[in-house]
Amino acid sequence: DAKTTQPNSMESNEEEPVHLPCNHSTISGTDYIHWYRQLPSQGPEYVIHGLTSNVNNRMASLAIAEDRKSSTLILHRATLRDAAVYYCILRRGGNQFYFGTGTSLTVIP
Amino acid sequence: GAGVSQSPRYKVAKRGQDVALRCDPISGHVSLFWYQQALGQGPEFLTYFQNEAQLDKSGLPSDRFFAERPEGSVSTLKIQRTQQEDSAVYLCASSQRGTAGELFFGEGSRLTVL
Repeated sequence: DAKTTQPNSMESNEEEPVHLPCNHSTISGTDYIHWYRQLPSQGPEYVIHGLTSNVNNRMASLAIAEDRKSSTLILHRATLRDAAVYYCILRRGGNQFYFGTGTSLTVIP
Repeated sequence: GAGVSQSPRYKVAKRGQDVALRCDPISGHVSLFWYQQALGQGPEFLTYFQNEAQLDKSGLPSDRFFAERPEGSVSTLKIQRTQQEDSAVYLCASSQRGTAGELFFGEGSRLTVL
């Protein structure tokens, strides 16, 4: 399995940036790095993905280390609606997604 | 529909009963996945379909679990002779073939086996 390691939990103050780390030391050259988040009683929701270069979209930014053994999801201004479990996932092969343990993000008003 | 729809949302079964969980993917989505999520854990892969073909069923935990997608659209996950360890949320996701791989998840079916 393509394993990822994340902190179990993190806290952030509202309207401040949040950096969520992920280690994936066993990543292979063709693995994509995906991030999903899951709110209580809902299915996971796509956030962002990348291969080698840093990526930005309307939800977040993804910073990928040069050796690709780690990555960081950046929420630029945390809101209360960003409180969720964030999963860092390696996509190995066309349709194989391995979810990690996830980081539970608490946003403090 | 606008999103992935799963039914029932909640199912309580007595140990030994058979259950069937339904997934309606987003119209036109070729790929369909089933995941199992135990309480406090991340989703774990069960099986994957491309159209009606089940291309990967390596995550099914036992031969009591069976999934089908006969017409390449709606899928059913069937669990025979349910056991307490089958209690979990069963998530369905779909995606378009050829995209970068964004998965669209349903809200899940929560199965409780007594």
